[in-house]
Amino acid sequence: GDSVTQMEGPVTLSEEAFLTINCTYTATGYPSLFWYVQYPGEGLQLLLKATKADDKGSNKGFEATYRKETTSFHLEKGSVQVSDSAVYFCALTPNTGNQFYFGTGTSLTVIP
Amino acid sequence: NAGVTQTPKFQVLKTGQSMTLQCAQDMNHNSMYWYRQDPGMGLRLIYYSASEGTTDKGEVPNGYNVSRLNKREFSLRLESAAPSQTSVYFCASSVQGIGKETQYFGPGTRLLVL
Repeated sequence: GDSVTQMEGPVTLSEEAFLTINCTYTATGYPSLFWYVQYPGEGLQLLLKATKADDKGSNKGFEATYRKETTSFHLEKGSVQVSDSAVYFCALTPNTGNQFYFGTGTSLTVIP
Repeated sequence: NAGVTQTPKFQVLKTGQSMTLQCAQDMNHNSMYWYRQDPGMGLRLIYYSASEGTTDKGEVPNGYNVSRLNKREFSLRLESAAPSQTSVYFCASSVQGIGKETQYFGPGTRLLVL
């Protein structure tokens, strides 16, 4: 069945460091891919998405490219800030059906 | 525009008690979802409703029931709470359940079952 695997955390970085959080997926056809962010005590918010192969989603300095050949959607940011400290979830939804599949989440802490 | 709202925010139950978690959205979305979030498990889908009048089981439906009261509201009921149901519950909605739409999440309900 469809699933998402993302790197386990927690991840701790210094401010202005480069961030990569790996995400790979298993799905039939051409799913849509998402990154959601959850700040402490809050619900999930959409960070970025990509709906077809080679699409690049971007928002707030974060980027992820839909790689069909490697079934990946890695999240990157060139220079993290303390305010980026949160839990990041990779997710997919198949091109048919109503369900979303989430990874287990990666906790990021950025220290000054 | 409040988005997705959930009540209550916190709840403590004793084993065997029942309760209903309420969810409402004001975005005119067709589809609504209930998830639970547990440490190291990510989000797991309990039930979803693709449209008003329909509900379907997700990955972990046992011990729960749902009601899609109208297009705005989707409630989750625990008939006889168990400690294993201690979790954070999130409601979400999306425009259509066709596989390409963003989900919008509520702030969550933190439930402790003693």
